[in-house]
Amino acid sequence: DGGITQSPKYLFRKEGQNVTLSCEQNLNHDAMYWYRQDPGQGLRLIYYSQIVNDFQKGDIAEGYSVSREKKESFPLTVTSAQKNPTAFYLCASSFSRDRGNGYTFGSGTRLTVV
Amino acid sequence: QKEVEQDPGPLSVPEGAIVSLNCTYSNSAFQYFMWYRQYSRKGPELLMYTYSSGNKEDGRFTAQVDKSSKYISLFIRDSQPSDSATYLCAMRMNTGFQKLVFGTGTRLLVSP
Repeated sequence: DGGITQSPKYLFRKEGQNVTLSCEQNLNHDAMYWYRQDPGQGLRLIYYSQIVNDFQKGDIAEGYSVSREKKESFPLTVTSAQKNPTAFYLCASSFSRDRGNGYTFGSGTRLTVV
Repeated sequence: QKEVEQDPGPLSVPEGAIVSLNCTYSNSAFQYFMWYRQYSRKGPELLMYTYSSGNKEDGRFTAQVDKSSKYISLFIRDSQPSDSATYLCAMRMNTGFQKLVFGTGTRLLVSP
């Protein structure tokens, strides 16, 4: 079955540490996205990528970095520069040209700073 | 002002009630409208997808778009406890690349 997989489900980060969240899809989608979700604030776009080896900053990119070396993979690194990283992180994918399917989301990674 | 406004709730209803969830938006260029359902600690899943104005029905769910008022609605008939979730509206312009703008979500609680 095609889908989008995020790992790990839960992640704990110490102060000053970088951590990487994994996102893999086998839907043959060309576009991928990272969102952060905080209570009462909805989904906020961190980064997105329309094609391999290209990505753009979203609304809250500071303190985050991404790479898109393969079509299937779009890992997100939360760096020590992100001062308030505790949140629920969602990865999504879609066709760049809409086919009436919208986005497919992963099941999320909950990151907690300890 | 946010591009898309959505009442966060929670909206509490008894089982069997008709539920109305709504979003307003400010950008008249939005042409495609979606509703996503998100269960606690899960990713959102697409429920309804509509283009421009009008109604679309799928089982107990009806999506309605009123572009003249910049207002979209999702109706749930015969609501069930399993409908308890957060519902997010999303929309996009008619451009080549689909970049969605999301509402903040409305939390719905259906009690047995």
